[in-house]
Amino acid sequence: DQQVKQNSPSLSVQEGRISILNCDYTNSMFDYFLWYKKYPAEGPTFLISISSIKDKNEDGRFTVFLNKSAKHLSLHIVPSQPGDSAVYFCAATPGSARQLTFGSGTQLTVLP
Amino acid sequence: KAGVTQTPRYLIKTRGQQVTLSCSPISGHRSVSWYQQTPGQGLQFLFEYFSETQRNKGNFPGRFSGRQFSNSRSEMNVSTLELGDSALYLCASRRLAGEDTQYFGPGTRLTVL
Repeated sequence: DQQVKQNSPSLSVQEGRISILNCDYTNSMFDYFLWYKKYPAEGPTFLISISSIKDKNEDGRFTVFLNKSAKHLSLHIVPSQPGDSAVYFCAATPGSARQLTFGSGTQLTVLP
Repeated sequence: KAGVTQTPRYLIKTRGQQVTLSCSPISGHRSVSWYQQTPGQGLQFLFEYFSETQRNKGNFPGRFSGRQFSNSRSEMNVSTLELGDSALYLCASRRLAGEDTQYFGPGTRLTVL
């Protein structure tokens, strides 16, 4: 029973265009959401997060949108750069336990 | 500040053996979590330790165990290895158990033959 789902295993985007990575969740107890980026042979690196009290959070080229009614979040990267090519994981955490539940990841490839 | 370190980076074992993986958290971090990453499954939570006590446990068999030492370093042990245990094992640390952001090490790639 996957509580966090990333339905697109891969995404290819041209350099300079927008990359949109999607994530759906089923557990209504989740109240904090994070995106991590992972390069081969490295551990995941924290990218950006959003609390359930917000619907948008920006950090430079990265913006995360949260639609609580649809239980959906998305990560926008604008403009996309070749160095953004990596696997992106979304994660969610409920209440005080703060145990992360991860999606299966989306491989983003930014083409030069 | 040094990041999370994991040793060894690569390991090859055979079915039935046991293995111990080690994780040193970022200095000052007292919470250590372990995850298993397999293709198509994402990162699955194994357990979390805080101040030498297991705080949370994921849905893994009892063959998977761990412990944390007084210096916050943690070890994970897998007994009676199975082929399906082949995976990347990631360790993550955070300063306190209630903090949201975790910092990951590079992982240990375990191959079971």
